Amino acid sequence: QVQLQESGPGLVKPSETLSLTCIVSGYSISSGYYWGWIRQPPGKGLEWIGHMRHRGASYSNPALKSRVSISLDTSKNQFSLNLNSVTAADTAVYYCARTYCDAASCPPNDYWGQGTLVTVSS
Amino acid sequence: EVVLTQSPGTLSLSPGERATLSCRASQSVRNSYLAWYQQKPGQAPRLLIYGASSRATGIPDRFSGSGSGTEFTLTISRLEPEDFAVYYCQQYGSLPWTFGQGAKVEIK
Repeated sequence: QVQLQESGPGLVKPSETLSLTCIVSGYSISSGYYWGWIRQPPGKGLEWIGHMRHRGASYSNPALKSRVSISLDTSKNQFSLNLNSVTAADTAVYYCARTYCDAASCPPNDYWGQGTLVTVSS
Repeated sequence: EVVLTQSPGTLSLSPGERATLSCRASQSVRNSYLAWYQQKPGQAPRLLIYGASSRATGIPDRFSGSGSGTEFTLTISRLEPEDFAVYYCQQYGSLPWTFGQGAKVEIK
């Protein structure tokens, strides 16, 4: 069974970098899927942040103005998110997810972590 | 960017009734790559439907999706108590992936 678990600080200061890690169990992240991040501000809707695949391209939401970096560590079977120059608007629950594959009829976002709340405040 | 608009914002129904949720796209969704998710308070979203009409693994057959182009629908044939939640549509046919604003199905 595929399981994902986010970890990282729950509080980040404005202008600093938000860094989260997602540990994956039950599936190898080098096996063809894209792995990524989605966030949800408190009481609001969902926003796709970006995703990437092992030895493949990385895609991110242009609304985040190139502040996003996603990386994979296949030796630890985990992937990470860095979001720099954060402001209060980046306060949200951050979810990691197995987001996609290139096969036809591939279900998107079929496995999710439980989410972690990150608050941006001084 | 493809903007998704869901309607109605809130649907008040009783258990056993039929729920119909709409998702309208600002432009045609490529390959009908439209998904629906269910989210309950404090939980991650759960994938229900992908490719506009394919049920995800383990999803009961009372959930069905339809549509193409710019108009999509999620139907819950007979509401069970556990179906009262917020539902999101999402398009994954073009970047950036986008979500609708959500629609709440509440107990009447």
